[in-house]
Amino acid sequence: AQSVTQPDIHITVSEGASLELRCNYSYGATPYLFWYVQSPGQGLQLLLKYFSGDTLVQGIKGFEAEFKRSQSSFNLRKPSVHWSDAAEYFCAVGAIITQGGSEKLVFGKGTKLTVNP
Amino acid sequence: KAGVTQTPRYLIKTRGQQVTLSCSPISGHRSVSWYQQTPGQGLQFLFEYFSETQRNKGNFPGRFSGRQFSNSRSEMNVSTLELGDSALYLCASSQKTGQRVFGNGTRLTVT
Repeated sequence: AQSVTQPDIHITVSEGASLELRCNYSYGATPYLFWYVQSPGQGLQLLLKYFSGDTLVQGIKGFEAEFKRSQSSFNLRKPSVHWSDAAEYFCAVGAIITQGGSEKLVFGKGTKLTVNP
Repeated sequence: KAGVTQTPRYLIKTRGQQVTLSCSPISGHRSVSWYQQTPGQGLQFLFEYFSETQRNKGNFPGRFSGRQFSNSRSEMNVSTLELGDSALYLCASSQKTGQRVFGNGTRLTVT
């Protein structure tokens, strides 16, 4: 069964500093990988996704992530964090369950990001 | 383009009651899935509907059920509520694989 590990429960960075959020996954086949962000009281917003091809993917809000098959990782990065990036970030792996295309997302426990001024 | 709409945003129920949550997907999206989010268990998959048929189900008791209507709107029902059912329930719709869009959720509190 697939699983996702986000080792860091809480990360604090200063505004303007670089950011890297870690994500490791376990899945028997080539996974679909996602990063979502959730602000308090809100749903999940997709930041970026990886299906295949170029292992460095660009997302919204200046985020990028790199898929490393050998390390089973899909870490999220941002070169310069803004105060508005404070939120909770979730990594997810998507598995196609049936030939009909039903997919199930398995999420990590999330990393809460605090940004200091 | 309207997003995924979940109603109501907040609910307070008493143990033993039942509750129905509603989800209106983005126009043209035929797949609707539901997730439960709690501080302890995180985000967990409940079930997915496509063209009025449940085609995938998570590991939840039978008290959790759902359905989808011909206009793709979906409802989920929880019967005999327990304190542990307090959670944020998220609905997501998609038109094709990997394109899931989430709503803002329904916050259910069971007292």
